[in-house]
Amino acid sequence: QKEVEQNSGPLSVPEGAIASLNCTYSDRGSQSFFWYRQYSGKSPELIMFIYSNGDKEDGRFTAQLNKASQYVSLLIRDSQPSDSATYLCAVMDSNYQLIWGAGTKLIIKP
Amino acid sequence: GAVVSQHPSRVICKSGTSVKIECRSLDFQATTMFWYRQFPKQSLMLMATSNEGSKATYEQGVEKDKFLINHASLTLSTLTVTSAHPEDSSFYICSAPASGGSTDTQYFGPGTRLTVL
Repeated sequence: QKEVEQNSGPLSVPEGAIASLNCTYSDRGSQSFFWYRQYSGKSPELIMFIYSNGDKEDGRFTAQLNKASQYVSLLIRDSQPSDSATYLCAVMDSNYQLIWGAGTKLIIKP
Repeated sequence: GAVVSQHPSRVICKSGTSVKIECRSLDFQATTMFWYRQFPKQSLMLMATSNEGSKATYEQGVEKDKFLINHASLTLSTLTVTSAHPEDSSFYICSAPASGGSTDTQYFGPGTRLTVL
């Protein structure tokens, strides 16, 4: 069964520090990789997507993909209390099915 | 990004009644939409894939006759929870791929919180 694994957390990071969120996936043929943020009681919102190996930066966010290691991460620089949320990793597998991780709860401490 | 709306945002109903939830893609057409359910402090669970002009595809364990899906147009999918019971109380979220097909980035509606008394 295809899986996407995330540490459930909570991950606690001081304000201003770098938060690092990790995700591993089982299907080596996976095509696309997404990071969503979900605040409590709200629906997920897309932060970033990445298709190619390497880094992709957007503002304070950097997605990193390593297909050889089947690993995708999200770095949040200069963490703010408003970044406190659950971060969901989603992977589109070789059958174009979107597989969701269970999410990592991130807490930014002022 | 693409905009997806849902209506209603919140509904409270009595046990045994049916509830219809609408999902609309506002600025793009979607031949495929997805319906998710999320219980408190749990992850998203895909319930079904809604296909315009054809039958929905349900995930294992989801009752087709209880969760009726109709994808009547390229911008509207509806989920009807029939004979709702308290255990159906949950957060229901729809999503649609930005390209309209099934392989692109998904954008989520704001969700519908259903409470069955």
